Amino acid sequence: AQSVTQPDIHITVSEGASLELRCNYSYGATPYLFWYVQSPGQGLQLLLKYFSGDTLVQGIKGFEAEFKRSQSSFNLRKPSVHWSDAAEYFCAVTTYDYKLSFGAGTTVTVRA
Amino acid sequence: GAGVSQSPSNKVTEKGKDVELRCDPISGHTALYWYRQSLGQGLEFLIYFQGNSAPDKSGLPSDRFSAERTGGSVSTLTIQRTQQEDSAVYLCASSLVILAETNTGELFFGEGSRLTVL
Repeated sequence: AQSVTQPDIHITVSEGASLELRCNYSYGATPYLFWYVQSPGQGLQLLLKYFSGDTLVQGIKGFEAEFKRSQSSFNLRKPSVHWSDAAEYFCAVTTYDYKLSFGAGTTVTVRA
Repeated sequence: GAGVSQSPSNKVTEKGKDVELRCDPISGHTALYWYRQSLGQGLEFLIYFQGNSAPDKSGLPSDRFSAERTGGSVSTLTIQRTQQEDSAVYLCASSLVILAETNTGELFFGEGSRLTVL
């Protein structure tokens, strides 16, 4: 069965420290990959996406993600987090259709 | 409007009542999606519209759930005889094109309608 796994339910990180959120997928074909962020009381906002080409993708708010086909992973990173990065992060994938499948999400808490 | 608009933002209802949730997508977006977000869970796909047609209703949990879209624009998700397990945030999203048709595909989400069934 096709699935998206975010192994970490909750991550706490100090402001200024680096952040890495994990995402693994299980799909027969190479999927299109996305990371969305949901701040409290807000809708989901697209951070970045991978369709093809360079496997290191740059997004908004200083985030980047790397697609590793051999590991079926698409991990999200940020070198130095800000308090405003506290939010819930969702990895999502789609194959050659219209449906976006989401992971369960990772909640990020930023401590001063 | 500039973004996807959903109403109501919050709805509290009693078990057994019917509720309607509305989604106004970004103007010109042909694709519209409904997702459900339950506490501690990811986003669960409910239904997909292309124009006024719903080629994929496979995510609707039961026949108490239905949705329609009119004029290729506004969509309404209706839940009949609500149950406590229906409590969740219902998210609507729209996109200009089908995701896989172009590498510019992106879903734009509304802020959601939080449904609480007592």
